[in-house]
Order: sequence, then C-alpha cells, then structure tokens
Amino acid sequence: GQNIDQPTEMTATEGAIVQINCTYQTSGFNGLFWYQQHAGEAPTFLSYNVLDGLEEKGRFSSFLSRSKGYSYLLLKELQMKDSASYLCAVLDSNYQLIWGAGTKLIIKP
Amino acid sequence: DAMVIQNPRYQVTQFGKPVTLSCSQTLNHNVMYWYQQKSSQAPKLLFHYYDKDFNNEADTPDNFQSRRPNTSFCFLDIRSPGLGDAAMYLCATTRGRDTDTQYFGPGTRLTVL
Repeated sequence: GQNIDQPTEMTATEGAIVQINCTYQTSGFNGLFWYQQHAGEAPTFLSYNVLDGLEEKGRFSSFLSRSKGYSYLLLKELQMKDSASYLCAVLDSNYQLIWGAGTKLIIKP
Repeated sequence: DAMVIQNPRYQVTQFGKPVTLSCSQTLNHNVMYWYQQKSSQAPKLLFHYYDKDFNNEADTPDNFQSRRPNTSFCFLDIRSPGLGDAAMYLCATTRGRDTDTQYFGPGTRLTVL
C-alpha cells in the first residue's frame, strides 16, 4: 500500500529553527509537496520537490532524497503565525496526490 | 482576489437531509477535486474531474455525488448525510493532471445534527 509518515505534533520556540520530517512509500514518484494548513482553513502551497536536494524559499526550505523516500521541511526564525499543521503529499505514478496526516506545529513564546 | 471559492463556508444539515456544496474557480483550470478532511487527518480524495471526465475514487460512498456543469463550477451532493459525514469539504483545482500545484478553496465545514 501507499504510506506517508510524519510526526503528529511538534513544539518549538519563537525565533528558533524546526525540521519536520516526512517519509513515504508510494507506487511511483512524480514529486513531493509541502502544504501549510491553519486550523479551520484550507491547505496553502509551500513547496514542491522532484529532484534530490534542498530548495530554499525565504524562511522555509524543503529537502528531498528520493533514494531514501525522505523529505524534510525546515522553518527558520519561527514566528507565532507559523503555528499550523504542515502536510506532506506525494504525487504517485498515476499523478494522484497521496497525503500525510499532517504535523501540528506549536510555537511557544 | 479569490481564485477558488466555496459556498457556504459553514453548512448545518439534519441527519438524512440532502445537502449541496458548491465550488467555483476563476483560474480556468481543467481539473477540479473534492476532498473530505476530518480533524487531524489527511484530506481524502472523493472525486476529480478532468474537464468533463468524471473520476470516482473506489472507496467514495454512493451517498456522495458530483456535478460539473461547466469549467468554472463543481458541486458536491450528499444525498443522505450521516453523522459520520461531518467534516471539512475542500475543493481544489489544477491546470492539468500532472505535477501542477493544487489550489484550494477555503473549504466548507459541514455539521450534521
């Protein structure tokens, strides 16, 4: 079966750095997405990786290793507004998006 | 400017009373998706349309139906809502079927009494 694993919840301090990991086992791979979802709202796009390596976009970076079936989202200089769930999703060989359950990130002052 | 619009944002219905959720998009995207998301769970794909080509997920209950009368609009009909159907319903669009980013509407939160 297809599976996306990510931690259920993480806690970090304002101003710090946090890394959210995602491992996947899917039938084929056409890219990995990270989405941010605030409570009661729709997911919003953060990043897309299809090649190995690190993609940096402001305070957020996303890393992919296809051979290991592994990605992480790195958030720097954490702000209170970064408190949200972060969803990892993989596009499989049929171009279907397989979603993880999300990691709830709690930021403390 | 809103690109994917869902109405209503909050919907309350009674057990067994049919309800329709709507989604419209101003992006002129070919593909539209309906997801169901329950608290602390991953979004679950119910259906998607590629143009008028309807694709139903194998485990989507028969209680759920969808219509796409034109490129801009897509509807989700729940014929006889049960308590287990209370969830956030998300509409999303992509330009094509391949690696495009999915753009989400704000969602409709459905409560079943």
